[in-house]
Amino acid sequence: AQKVTQAQTEISVVEKEDVTLDCVYETRDTTYYLFWYKQPPSGELVFLIRRNSFDEQNEISGRYSWNFQKSTSSFNFTITASQVVDSAVYFCALEQGGSEKLVFGKGTKLTVNP
Amino acid sequence: ETGVTQSPTHLIKTRGQQVTLRCSSQSGHNTVSWYQQALGQGPQFIFQYYREEENGRGNFPPRFSGLQFPNYSSELNVNALELDDSALYLCASSLPGQGIDEQYFGPGTRLTVT
Repeated sequence: AQKVTQAQTEISVVEKEDVTLDCVYETRDTTYYLFWYKQPPSGELVFLIRRNSFDEQNEISGRYSWNFQKSTSSFNFTITASQVVDSAVYFCALEQGGSEKLVFGKGTKLTVNP
Repeated sequence: ETGVTQSPTHLIKTRGQQVTLRCSSQSGHNTVSWYQQALGQGPQFIFQYYREEENGRGNFPPRFSGLQFPNYSSELNVNALELDDSALYLCASSLPGQGIDEQYFGPGTRLTVT
């Protein structure tokens, strides 16, 4: 069975602090994809990144960076110099290769205070 | 703005009633997925439609059913509503083969069952 665990339910930081959101996944598939989504109060899910199981390179996009470690089944997300606009619920998700069906974690609510 | 719209925005129904939720996808997007997101939880996959046929289903009972139309709109129908059906219902559309990073979510319909 596939499972995604986001152990941090809520995180609160002060603006400009760095923050890391943890994600641990379980799957028996050799081919799979990992995702991060942002859900602002408006409700719609905003795609942030997709990483396939064969690509363990870390990725940086502006203030966002992702650390994929297959050995520990983790796909952590770091926001550098957080801003108030980063406040949202963040979801990690897993897709069995090519199925287009996502298994989501329970999400981490991030609050960035001014 | 993802180009995916959902109606209504909010809905209140009584236990035992039936409800129809609507999703309008981006033009050309002939794959649509529906997710249920209970309060404080991550979205759960309900089912997916491709070219008007069901193409995979999550762990939801048959009283959850769907339709997809040639004009890229779709419906989620829920019969015999239960209190636990109260949730945010999200639809997501994509072109087949484009991968989930090209899947766009709508803003959702918040259903409350009393």
